[in-house]
Amino acid sequence: EVRLVATGGGLIQPGGSLRLSCAASGFTVSNNYMNWVRQAPGKGLEWVSLIYSTGSTYYADSVKGRFTISRDNAKNTLYLEMNNLRAEDTAMYYCARMGYDSSSTYYYGMDVWGQGTTVTVSS
Amino acid sequence: DIVMTQSPDSLVVSLGERATINCKSSQSVLGGSRNKDHLAWYQQKAGQPPKLLIYWASTRESGVPDRFSGSGSGTDFTLTIGSLQAEDVALYYCQQYDRIPYTFGQGTKLEIK
Repeated sequence: EVRLVATGGGLIQPGGSLRLSCAASGFTVSNNYMNWVRQAPGKGLEWVSLIYSTGSTYYADSVKGRFTISRDNAKNTLYLEMNNLRAEDTAMYYCARMGYDSSSTYYYGMDVWGQGTTVTVSS
Repeated sequence: DIVMTQSPDSLVVSLGERATINCKSSQSVLGGSRNKDHLAWYQQKAGQPPKLLIYWASTRESGVPDRFSGSGSGTDFTLTIGSLQAEDVALYYCQQYDRIPYTFGQGTKLEIK
């Protein structure tokens, strides 16, 4: 079964750091494009970061310079290192895989999502 | 950044009736190969992560009921639910994955009349 399990969220003070983990099963993280998407309470979805299978990384402007996406191939796990956290980073954080159609070699939206982990930044 | 704008923000539809949600992008999301629109639709039920319904604007994800359909190209897209069922109550989001940063619409809340 293809599955993503996100962990690591919690209550953190402004300026603090947190590392989120997303353990994958049923597929190989390093062979896929992997995303972090967040959702503030009562708000819509916001794309946060992406790591290509090549290792190239991309970030939303709102987190650039503060967040780092990475993966551990041996553990088949995706990470999001979050530093200098702000109140506006409070959200549910989801990890999600980009779907891939091998016949056309196109990526197509996020086809597998974790259940999310909650990050609350507050003093 | 590509701005995605959905309409309406909320929708109330009777069981068995058709529901239509629109999504407009601030620029074309037709992929570099010029033959696929990089536009996806997601359904999010309360307390759950989003679920992919439609990709490439009109391709239904495996396992998604055929009452869900997507149409449109370039900058204007539509998600249609052909005959509304009680379990379709949810938030619906469009998303472009043509250019980074990937961006979502603000969401449309679908309720039963």
